[in-house]
Amino acid sequence: GAVVSQHPSWVICKSGTSVKIECRSLDFQATTMFWYRQFPKQSLMLMATSNEGSKATYEQGVEKDKFLINHASLTLSTLTVTSAHPEDSSFYICSARGGDSSYEQYFGPGTRLTVT
Amino acid sequence: GQNIDQPTEMTATEGAIVQINCTYQTSGFNGLFWYQQHAGEAPTFLSYNVLDGLEEKGRFSSFLSRSKGYSYLLLKELQMKDSASYLCAVVSGTYKYIFGTGTRLKVLA
Repeated sequence: GAVVSQHPSWVICKSGTSVKIECRSLDFQATTMFWYRQFPKQSLMLMATSNEGSKATYEQGVEKDKFLINHASLTLSTLTVTSAHPEDSSFYICSARGGDSSYEQYFGPGTRLTVT
Repeated sequence: GQNIDQPTEMTATEGAIVQINCTYQTSGFNGLFWYQQHAGEAPTFLSYNVLDGLEEKGRFSSFLSRSKGYSYLLLKELQMKDSASYLCAVVSGTYKYIFGTGTRLKVLA
């Protein structure tokens, strides 16, 4: 149980375009989803926390107008990178937690974004 | 502020034991997770400690001392497949994880 999927697993886009990444909890209801970014040989950096039906909470330094997060249902959250630039190239990972008291997060397989 | 430190890289020999340390200073504490991450893949859960002491699970053990802000992950009988990054993550006052810098472990034959 507790499976999280991401789509696409990798994407290449041109500078200036927008890219949408989906994160789905397949066998549980995710009350909270988290979006992380990971640059090569670095650790995960939390970008934002989203709760179903409410606006995402962004970490300091993350532009909310550039990284649009929508948590429209208890099983789906999306991250849209708008007007992508080469410096946005990174590994984007989502995670989800259910509505119980557990602190464990379940991670998706990640999406490799390359902006040319 | 929030600060979590781990060694950047470690090297060990197949069959040996290695200890990866993690020290933290956070504004809240609701437990500490250890994750394993292979390059280009998502982190996979290894352990969770919220009380002081040692938790053993097969070849992996994790220790926590809340008063010292310190944890370690112990890997026994190292195998080549254990070559990966090991991430320490503290759950702060909310449900957020604060990740450490990660330790890249290289296991040599």
